[in-house]
Amino acid sequence: GENVEQHPSTLSVQEGDSAVIKCTYSDSASNYFPWYKQELGKGPQLIIDIRSNVGEKKDQRIAVTLNKTAKHFSLHITETQPEDSAVYFCAADGGSNYQLIWGAGTKLIIKP
Amino acid sequence: SAVISQKPSRDICQRGTSLTIQCQVDSQVTMMFWYRQQPGQSLTLIATANQGSEATYESGFVIDKFPISRPNLTFSTLTVSNMSPEDSSIYLCSVGGRDGNEQYFGPGTRLTVT
Repeated sequence: GENVEQHPSTLSVQEGDSAVIKCTYSDSASNYFPWYKQELGKGPQLIIDIRSNVGEKKDQRIAVTLNKTAKHFSLHITETQPEDSAVYFCAADGGSNYQLIWGAGTKLIIKP
Repeated sequence: SAVISQKPSRDICQRGTSLTIQCQVDSQVTMMFWYRQQPGQSLTLIATANQGSEATYESGFVIDKFPISRPNLTFSTLTVSNMSPEDSSIYLCSVGGRDGNEQYFGPGTRLTVT
């Protein structure tokens, strides 16, 4: 079935440095790729998404890139800040009824 | 994006009992989803709940254990029945956005079964 792999599982970066989280997907029919941020005790929050007709999308310090040929997409966070510390999930559309297939999550730690 | 609330935010329940979780949205939405998230894990879809039709359950989840209601376009409930400690988890509802694929999540219900 459809599968989304996410790496790394934990990422520790110095405040001010950049962080990159990568995901690969298996279903070549997938066209929608969101990224969610989940802070402790809260529900996941949609932070950025990209559709297959676009190769890159930016929103201030965050960007997402998509390579449909290789079936992978990445989240880039520049100038990291303490409030970026959270668990990040990637996902891809798949199955029926607008379901999302989820990656395993990346715990991002920003070191002061 | 829609504003989504869940009740209760957390509960501690005894095994063998049932708990009903409510999900309220501030606007009408067609698609609602219920997820389970165990500590430190990713999200697992329990079922899709569309107004006017029976909920569609994912493999490993059955209606007798997780009955769902969707009486209108702004509200849904998920019941966790005959609970065991293995049901201890965070339960999340989400709603589909107008563009189709995106989902917006409620704050979650943290359930502990003793």
